[in-house]
Amino acid sequence: GAGVSQSPRYKVAKRGQDVALRCDPISGHVSLFWYQQALGQGPEFLTYFQNEAQLDKSGLPSDRFFAERPEGSVSTLKIQRTQQEDSAVYLCASSLDSGSTYEQYFGPGTRLTVT
Amino acid sequence: AQSVSQHNHHVILSEAASLELGCNYSYGGTVNLFWYVQYPGQHLQLLLKYFSGDPLVKGIKGFEAEFIKSKFSFNLRKPSVQWSDTAEYFCAVKSIGAAGNKLTFGGGTRVLVKP
Repeated sequence: GAGVSQSPRYKVAKRGQDVALRCDPISGHVSLFWYQQALGQGPEFLTYFQNEAQLDKSGLPSDRFFAERPEGSVSTLKIQRTQQEDSAVYLCASSLDSGSTYEQYFGPGTRLTVT
Repeated sequence: AQSVSQHNHHVILSEAASLELGCNYSYGGTVNLFWYVQYPGQHLQLLLKYFSGDPLVKGIKGFEAEFIKSKFSFNLRKPSVQWSDTAEYFCAVKSIGAAGNKLTFGGGTRVLVKP
């Protein structure tokens, strides 16, 4: 059984470039979360999908960040005009359903470095 | 807004020593509580969780945690650590009723177990 996968695992972008980070959740998982983990800190919530609906995007730090999950499975986090402060590990997690007792399973993350 | 604090950023101890990691959260409502572990080079994995009932919960690999509601704490313990417990440990809180059941993480504690 495959877990959550993310690609690329590492991304180096020059300041001002756009990047797209992909998340493949566990098959059949309804809920999908994106978190940002800066160096030396814990993950911070960015956004949440239930199927294809983005129900919470309160954690997105600016309008340069955009996420989608058009068919309710794969999700893409896009960052436009990257800045140095965007350098972090971006984690994706999925859970079977949206209830509070459902465990979130995390992917390996994409480490983004903006130079 | 809820927050989670972990008291120690780094802990160094020898094999067979006992481990206790502190976690406090600020949120007045009902919460679910989690400890996640990240071994070197691996993704975040669930160590244990508390939803309701017995406030002393047991997780994998001999870990346990105690929920003390009056102290807003959920400390992690292991009576005798092994070298393989070297990892970073994250406490996380999920507030019941919040849309999407997002996790709020503490800053993490890096644990180094010397052989």
